Amino acid sequence: DGGITQSPKYLFRKEGQNVTLSCEQNLNHDAMYWYRQDPGQGLRLIYYSQIVNDFQKGDIAEGYSVSREKKESFPLTVTSAQKNPTAFYLCASTTITGSQQYFGPGTRLTVT
Amino acid sequence: GESVGLHLPTLSVQEGDNSIINCAYSNSASDYFIWYKQESGKGPQFIIDIRSNMDKRQGQRVTVLLNKTVKHLSLQIAATQPGDSAVYFCAENMLGTGFQKLVFGTGTRLLVSP
Repeated sequence: DGGITQSPKYLFRKEGQNVTLSCEQNLNHDAMYWYRQDPGQGLRLIYYSQIVNDFQKGDIAEGYSVSREKKESFPLTVTSAQKNPTAFYLCASTTITGSQQYFGPGTRLTVT
Repeated sequence: GESVGLHLPTLSVQEGDNSIINCAYSNSASDYFIWYKQESGKGPQFIIDIRSNMDKRQGQRVTVLLNKTVKHLSLQIAATQPGDSAVYFCAENMLGTGFQKLVFGTGTRLLVSP
């Protein structure tokens, strides 16, 4: 069953703690993306990666970090430097010459 | 479930009606457009796409219209069903840049009453 998985679905953390969100895909896609979604706003790009061991900052990268050690995995770390980390986080992937992006089910992060 | 877009524009229709959701895009150089559907607490799902060399594309019960003159995109859903209730996003992209970076609209909530 091919697709993108994100875990966990809900995540709760205390302020000041780093937290890592998982994203795995078995679609053999080259490019992977992380977006943040807040109520009343469109998706905003945090980081993206076109190939293994390479990634670039998106529009709102401050306070986040990523790694791309394997083609199928693109974990996102929300650091304590992120001022407003509570949000819905979405991972997506596509082929390098592809058109539409395929999305995972999302992780809802709540930081108190 | 998850509430996405608490203050989004909302379109309310009756089951069986046709729905039209509109989107204004910003970049006149954008040459590829996508409509996504997002149900509460879930990731966006692809509905239909269109390239800038077309002005209309039809899928199953859905039609996308593109007006490049006024930078406007619309999604028409025929015979709307309760299962169509969701938030709908348009996204634009510039193809041929070596990287696909989608820019998303804020979304429209569609509510379908039985």
